[in-house]
Amino acid sequence: EDKVVQSPLSLVVHEGDTVTLNCSYEVTNFRSLLWYKQEKKAPTFLFMLTSSGIEKKSGRLSSILDKKELSSILNITATQTGDSAIYLCAAALVNDYKLSFGAGTTVTVRA
Amino acid sequence: DGGITQSPKYLFRKEGQNVTLSCEQNLNHDAMYWYRQDPGQGLRLIYYSQIVNDFQKGDIAEGYSVSREKKESFPLTVTSAQKNPTAFYLCASSDRGVNIQYFGAGTRLSVL
Repeated sequence: EDKVVQSPLSLVVHEGDTVTLNCSYEVTNFRSLLWYKQEKKAPTFLFMLTSSGIEKKSGRLSSILDKKELSSILNITATQTGDSAIYLCAAALVNDYKLSFGAGTTVTVRA
Repeated sequence: DGGITQSPKYLFRKEGQNVTLSCEQNLNHDAMYWYRQDPGQGLRLIYYSQIVNDFQKGDIAEGYSVSREKKESFPLTVTSAQKNPTAFYLCASSDRGVNIQYFGAGTRLSVL
């Protein structure tokens, strides 16, 4: 059975702190790893990682995939209250439309 | 404005009643999906459809039904057989061969 595990489940930080979220996966025929941000309603796409060791960056957010360790991390630097959200990771398989999601990490940024 | 529209935002179901959640997309995507989200459990796949007039069960299809008569539309019916329907329901779509899924704003279903 495919499994995607995120840690921690939740964390509280203060504005300006750096946050590191973890996602590990055990899936057959792995293709790529996706990160989403969910603020109240619709998850919005952040990154898709297919190759190991290549960092993807967007503003204060960055992510990297380690295929040897079957894991990915999402970093958020200089956090702001607007970064408060649930961060979801999902594994995509070869020749399959479906995504397997982790339970998510709830990040709360206090002013 | 391209996107996915889910309606209604909030829905209440009486015991023994079937209810239908609407999902419409104008992104011209081939594939559409329905997920259920419960606190602390992430997204669980209910049904998905890769093409019109075809759909497959996901991990938790029992008590749900879908149809895909048009490319743009993928309604989900929560039947009376679903004994614990209270949850947040998300619809998504994706382009053929692309793993990135785009989501609607969701429908929150509660039981009266």
